[in-house]
Amino acid sequence: SQTIHQWPATLVQPVGSPLSLECTVEGTSNPNLYWYRQAAGRGLQLLFYSVGIGQISSEVPQNLSASRPQDRQFILSSKKLLLSDSGFYLCAWKDRKYGYTFGSGTRLTVV
Amino acid sequence: AQSVTQLDSQVPVFEEAPVELRCNYSSSVSVYLFWYVQYPNQGLQLLLKYLSGSTLVKGINGFEAEFNKSQTSFHLRKPSVHISDTAEYFCAVSDWGGSYIPTFGRGTSLIVHP
Repeated sequence: SQTIHQWPATLVQPVGSPLSLECTVEGTSNPNLYWYRQAAGRGLQLLFYSVGIGQISSEVPQNLSASRPQDRQFILSSKKLLLSDSGFYLCAWKDRKYGYTFGSGTRLTVV
Repeated sequence: AQSVTQLDSQVPVFEEAPVELRCNYSSSVSVYLFWYVQYPNQGLQLLLKYLSGSTLVKGINGFEAEFNKSQTSFHLRKPSVHISDTAEYFCAVSDWGGSYIPTFGRGTSLIVHP
């Protein structure tokens, strides 16, 4: 069966520190992968998506970056976090029936 | 470009009452439509989706939604809600033939009171 893993579940980081969130998918190959951010009281904002290894599309300019070093691994990074980077980060992949399966999310608080 | 409007940010309702969560979309092409549910501090779970065919779609947990092309709506309904239905609900749309990347509404918080 196909599953998606995200970690860590929660993270508290000081302003200016680096960030690395990891997402991995099991049970499928060459998935389309997505990073979304959900800020308090707001909807989901698409940050990045990837259709293959090394292929990253950015939807919103910001101080975040994404990488796809392996087929089923998608990483969200930042060199220096800002307070405005706080939020709930969700990884997702698109299955063959046009549904999107989401990970359990990472709650990031920048202090 | 596509967009989604969830008209209600919060819907309070008593247990066992019916509920409707409204969703309207705009798109210049044909679309796929989705409803997701999010429980506190969890990811999103697919409730139901419309791809084609019957405009009445049944999903998990007793929810259903009806696609109305003329009104560009995809409202979510449940005839009798439970306390456990308290959650955030998101409507999403993705277009045919493109990247299929979904656009999400801002969400509706369903609050079920005993």
